[in-house]
Amino acid sequence: EVQLVESGGGLVQPGRSLKLSCVASGFTFSNYGMNWIRQAPGKGLEWVAYISSGSSYIYYAETVKGRFTISRDNAKNTLYLQMTSLRSEDTALYYCARPTNWFAYWGQGTLVTVSS
Amino acid sequence: DIQMTQSPSSMSASLGDRVTITCQASQDIGNNLIWFQQKPGKSPRPMIYYATNLANGVPSRFSGSRSGSDYSLTISSLESEDMADYHCLQYKQYPNTFGAGTKLELK
Repeated sequence: EVQLVESGGGLVQPGRSLKLSCVASGFTFSNYGMNWIRQAPGKGLEWVAYISSGSSYIYYAETVKGRFTISRDNAKNTLYLQMTSLRSEDTALYYCARPTNWFAYWGQGTLVTVSS
Repeated sequence: DIQMTQSPSSMSASLGDRVTITCQASQDIGNNLIWFQQKPGKSPRPMIYYATNLANGVPSRFSGSRSGSDYSLTISSLESEDMADYHCLQYKQYPNTFGAGTKLELK
């Protein structure tokens, strides 16, 4: 069974940093590209970033480019999102999702709250 | 970047109604569009992929269609379990982009 489990969210002050993790199981993680997608409270979904299976291809939304870094450790079956210079508008539930099989697999999300 | 304009933002309908939600793409995306259903406190679930194909386990009352740059999700006969938020996603190119979402409520 495919499982994606995010962690690392929490309350952080504006301008500070936070690193999210997503541990994958139930499939060969190193064979698949992965996404981070977020959802602000009461709002729609926003695609954040993508990384290919071997980390050769990386893409970001304009809203996070230059502040967020997506990475992965295939030996640890783990996807990361390093977030710096956080702003109040980054407050959201952050999901990791596998884009193959029509985005059928999502984690439960980890909540990031940016507030002083 | 490709913009996805989704409408309506919210709607209320009665059980048994036919309901249609639309996303308009600002550029050609081919049929590279997914419709998701999201219920409160849950992760999104794909309902329609490649614009017109029913995802695994999705009831046949759901369908997807395309007319030019307009993509539609239709529920032929609304059931209570269909009350949810619906989102479209284009995956033709990066950055992938979602529509703003539609909240479907019971009238």
